[in-house]
Amino acid sequence: QQPVQSPQAVILREGEDAVINCSSSKALYSVHWYRQKHGEAPVFLMILLKGGEQKGHEKISASFNEKKQQSSLYLTASQLSYSGTYFCGTEIWGSARQLTFGSGTQLTVLP
Amino acid sequence: NAGVTQTPKFQVLKTGQSMTLQCAQDMNHNSMYWYRQDPGMGLRLIYYSASEGTTDKGEVPNGYNVSRLNKREFSLRLESAAPSQTSVYFCASSEAPAEKGHEQYFGPGTRLTVT
Repeated sequence: QQPVQSPQAVILREGEDAVINCSSSKALYSVHWYRQKHGEAPVFLMILLKGGEQKGHEKISASFNEKKQQSSLYLTASQLSYSGTYFCGTEIWGSARQLTFGSGTQLTVLP
Repeated sequence: NAGVTQTPKFQVLKTGQSMTLQCAQDMNHNSMYWYRQDPGMGLRLIYYSASEGTTDKGEVPNGYNVSRLNKREFSLRLESAAPSQTSVYFCASSEAPAEKGHEQYFGPGTRLTVT
């Protein structure tokens, strides 16, 4: 039931764009995105809910394809501060109240 | 406003020893969670408490027990530590359970080594 994230790792130059994907084999109620820097706690980025509602930081954009049970996180004009590991957490429809996290995508932004 | 706090930050145990990890939040959140994070494996839910007075098993509950002491505090106990429990443990809280679409706020983590 663990969602699958891709790619596992990506290296960018400042100013470049990246897309991180998250897919599930189960019908989803919501997808959560978090970023974790080395040695720190995960920090909330965005929630995408079934039905189209989104909550999150203004500078972050994401999509949720309910038919395919897939979500994508879009990082545009990347900055050095974007470096870290990005996790998606999925809430399976009918199995509410808990998130199942993917194994993460490690993003490195170089000057 | 400290958010989510965890104690201790580091701990080394010998196999068979017991210990309790403490977690407290000052955001008046209803739901609290315990996760473990192993290298390259993301976060796995151990136990959660959707509201004060309730606790439920997550994905990997074996070897652990929890207590929701009050609305603020949620503790995790290892009764007989094993090397497989070496991990980083994160506590998190949210205003309501995940089904309501509420983000989780994480504590700084406890780095536990079992020798």
